[in-house]
Amino acid sequence: GAVVSQHPSWVICKSGTSVKIECRSLDFQATTMFWYRQFPKQSLMLMATSNEGSKATYEQGVEKDKFLINHASLTLSTLTVTSAHPEDSSFYICSASRGGEQYFGPGTRLTVT
Amino acid sequence: GENVEQHPSTLSVQEGDSAVIKCTYSDSASNYFPWYKQELGKGPQLIIDIRSNVGEKKDQRIAVTLNKTAKHFSLHITETQPEDSAVYFCAASKSGGSNYKLTFGKGTLLTVNP
Repeated sequence: GAVVSQHPSWVICKSGTSVKIECRSLDFQATTMFWYRQFPKQSLMLMATSNEGSKATYEQGVEKDKFLINHASLTLSTLTVTSAHPEDSSFYICSASRGGEQYFGPGTRLTVT
Repeated sequence: GENVEQHPSTLSVQEGDSAVIKCTYSDSASNYFPWYKQELGKGPQLIIDIRSNVGEKKDQRIAVTLNKTAKHFSLHITETQPEDSAVYFCAASKSGGSNYKLTFGKGTLLTVNP
């Protein structure tokens, strides 16, 4: 149990376009999901905490208007990178909380050209 | 806020040897300490965790110890195998419902040589 999926697994987009990444908890309901960003050979950096039915809480330095988060149901949270630029290229990972534990998705590799 | 230090950053062992990774944390209120294994290009996988009311926890070849007084916890892998090669992250948080945040260490690249 505790399976989290992400879609797409990788995406290439042109600078200035927007990209949506989905995070789903497949076999449990999660009132809280988290979005992380990871650069090569670095640790995970928390971007925001997503709560079902309410606005996301963003970490300091993360632009909420650029990284739009929607947690519309207990099994789905989405991250939309708006007006993407090459510096947004990264590995984006979500996690879902169950019983105080966090279970991670497989990640989405975003490349902005 | 919480700060988690992790050592070593890289660790190379021979197959069958043991591997130990150590972490320290700064916030004495932290009470939940998970360990994650991340393979290249994949998301982190929870491999073991420990809560502050327990000093040690074991799951087959993996064990975690916690010293609350010294504010450090360690991951022990015995009888290492090549498939144990990955990046391992420790983390700490103050649990209390589902809306908590993990603070991660910088990771340890473990290489198990056949």
